[in-house]
Amino acid sequence: KQEVTQIPAALSVPEGENLVLNCSFTDSAIYNLQWFRQDPGKGLTSLLLIQSSQREQTSGRLNASLDKSSGRSTLYIAASQPGDSATYLCAVTGNTGKLIFGQGTTLQVKP
Amino acid sequence: GAGVSQSPSNKVTEKGKDVELRCDPISGHTALYWYRQRLGQGLEFLIYFQGNSAPDKSGLPSDRFSAERTGESVSTLTIQRTQQEDSAVYLCASSLNPLRFGGGPYEQYFGPGTRLTVT
Repeated sequence: KQEVTQIPAALSVPEGENLVLNCSFTDSAIYNLQWFRQDPGKGLTSLLLIQSSQREQTSGRLNASLDKSSGRSTLYIAASQPGDSATYLCAVTGNTGKLIFGQGTTLQVKP
Repeated sequence: GAGVSQSPSNKVTEKGKDVELRCDPISGHTALYWYRQRLGQGLEFLIYFQGNSAPDKSGLPSDRFSAERTGESVSTLTIQRTQQEDSAVYLCASSLNPLRFGGGPYEQYFGPGTRLTVT
């Protein structure tokens, strides 16, 4: 059974810092991995999707890497801003397309 | 274009009552998923529809939960005899055919969710 773990559960940093969020999964037979952002009381916003054949994806200040063989992904956020404060969720896609989510990392960026 | 919509956005119900939650997927998306997020917990998969295939109901927590989908359009999630532990945000997502030949699962687009509170 696929399990997804995210570390740390919570993170507080001053504005401007670069930071890394970690995600690990137990079964390397995945189709892709997605990073989502969730704001309180709102739905999910997809940030980056990495196909299983890819190593990384970049969007603006965000960079996500995938090491499928070791079951790890990282989300790198450069020059963090208070507006980046949210919960970040990692999810892997299995053979039916359904997403298996980690518990999330709650990020607070202090001005 | 329009994204995934869900209704109602909030629902408060008494324990023991039945509730229906609605999801309108993005037009043309053949796959539709329901997930649940209880307070302080991660998202749990509930059920998955793909076209006219039999749905994957492996995530439904009990027989009080059921879902229907009309063709490739609207889906309703029904919870009978609600319990307090059913209180959660119920999220719906849709995507193009996730297992089309030559490709992997497509990106899923999420609706804003329905917050269900059972008193």
